[in-house]
Amino acid sequence: NAGVTQTPKFQVLKTGQSMTLQCAQDMNHEYMSWYRQDPGMGLRLIHYSVGAGITDQGEVPNGYNVSRSTTEDFPLRLLSAAPSQTSVYFCASKKQGFGTEAFFGQGTRLTVV
Amino acid sequence: AQKVTQAQTEISVVEKEDVTLDCVYETRDTTYYLFWYKQPPSGELVFLIRRNSFDEQNEISGRYSWNFQKSTSSFNFTITASQVVDSAVYFCALTTISKGGDSSYKLIFGSGTRLLVRP
Repeated sequence: NAGVTQTPKFQVLKTGQSMTLQCAQDMNHEYMSWYRQDPGMGLRLIHYSVGAGITDQGEVPNGYNVSRSTTEDFPLRLLSAAPSQTSVYFCASKKQGFGTEAFFGQGTRLTVV
Repeated sequence: AQKVTQAQTEISVVEKEDVTLDCVYETRDTTYYLFWYKQPPSGELVFLIRRNSFDEQNEISGRYSWNFQKSTSSFNFTITASQVVDSAVYFCALTTISKGGDSSYKLIFGSGTRLLVRP
């Protein structure tokens, strides 16, 4: 079972470059989210989607875009990378419904220099 | 405001010791779920347990147990007879449902507690 697959696992970007973090899930989950993990701050929600074609902002959306054209895929785009976006990024999916647990990808460690 | 506080940044114990990880939460919503996740050194997040706000029964799963107390807004996690493989960062998280509807797409995480179990 693949679950939630994120690519790449590691990435180094120069300030101002753009890139897309890929996320795919094979569990037919309605909800998908992107979080960033920073030391001492836990995970914070960047963007989320409750279904194909529906996305919205989370707690820390600035500098990021998302789209959800299919149930399976939820890419995160960094428009113009900044050193403040150096972080570990996690994609998560969960079945619609209160109390269902979220499944997380392996994470992408991004460094912006 | 909704918030999860894990005041213990790092705990170090010797193998076979018992250890409790604290989690205190804040929410005005009466319907919510609490979760614990484990993040081993490999980096992935592993779901451990969920508890809803209407179920205050404690839970035991092998060496793991959880104590949920609404009166103190706490959902603490105890590992009995700790092992080196328990070394990880542990996160407590909260999701709620309010008058606005299901917001369970959003998990509110604590800052995590790093547990180091020494042989």
